[in-house]
Amino acid sequence: ILNVEQSPQSLHVQEGDSTNFTCSFPSSNFYALHWYRWETAKSPEALFVMTLNGDEKKKGRISATLNTKEGYSYLYIKGSQPEDSATYLCAFTKTNAGKSTFGDGTTLTVKP
Amino acid sequence: GAVVSQHPSWVICKSGTSVKIECRSLDFQATTMFWYRQFPKQSLMLMATSNEGSKATYEQGVEKDKFLINHASLTLSTLTVTSAHPEDSSFYICSADPGQGVLEQYFGPGTRLTVT
Repeated sequence: ILNVEQSPQSLHVQEGDSTNFTCSFPSSNFYALHWYRWETAKSPEALFVMTLNGDEKKKGRISATLNTKEGYSYLYIKGSQPEDSATYLCAFTKTNAGKSTFGDGTTLTVKP
Repeated sequence: GAVVSQHPSWVICKSGTSVKIECRSLDFQATTMFWYRQFPKQSLMLMATSNEGSKATYEQGVEKDKFLINHASLTLSTLTVTSAHPEDSSFYICSADPGQGVLEQYFGPGTRLTVT
């Protein structure tokens, strides 16, 4: 059983605050780490897929880092906006199996 | 691009009946689609991997005779919940893998099934 853990489970911040979440995953047989953003009543949207230790990806105010040796990834949101409110999921893909194991997600609420 | 639709978005059925959920990739072909189930306040749990033209691969603990998966074309996979019971009530969501080196999966919006 692969354990993918995300923390915190939920987060409430004020508009303009910067925030970050953690995803921990098994460090062996790593293939890829994915971050998804899931807004209520919509499809999960892929934010980043990272494959290399030390990878850093950025999309606007959102960025992510990857440490495959210790098995963790951070997702950062700079200057949170109400539209950033969503559940952020990470998923770990082992070797080249194609299928992913998901964490429980971090639900972010940004108050105006 | 990379849109996946799911139909229906919600369904209520009576215990003992069967329900079919469709997952379609609208603007790309997907040789592989995945079906997930989500219980309240839990993560997406992979049920099965659906491969076009072949039998689905089910995860441990998932009854293949109860959750029938058919991947008849490169753009359509269906999940049929047979003889549904109240404990099958859940949120079912599919994703499609474009393959060809693309590592991302593209998700449908999900289907909320309620069995009364």
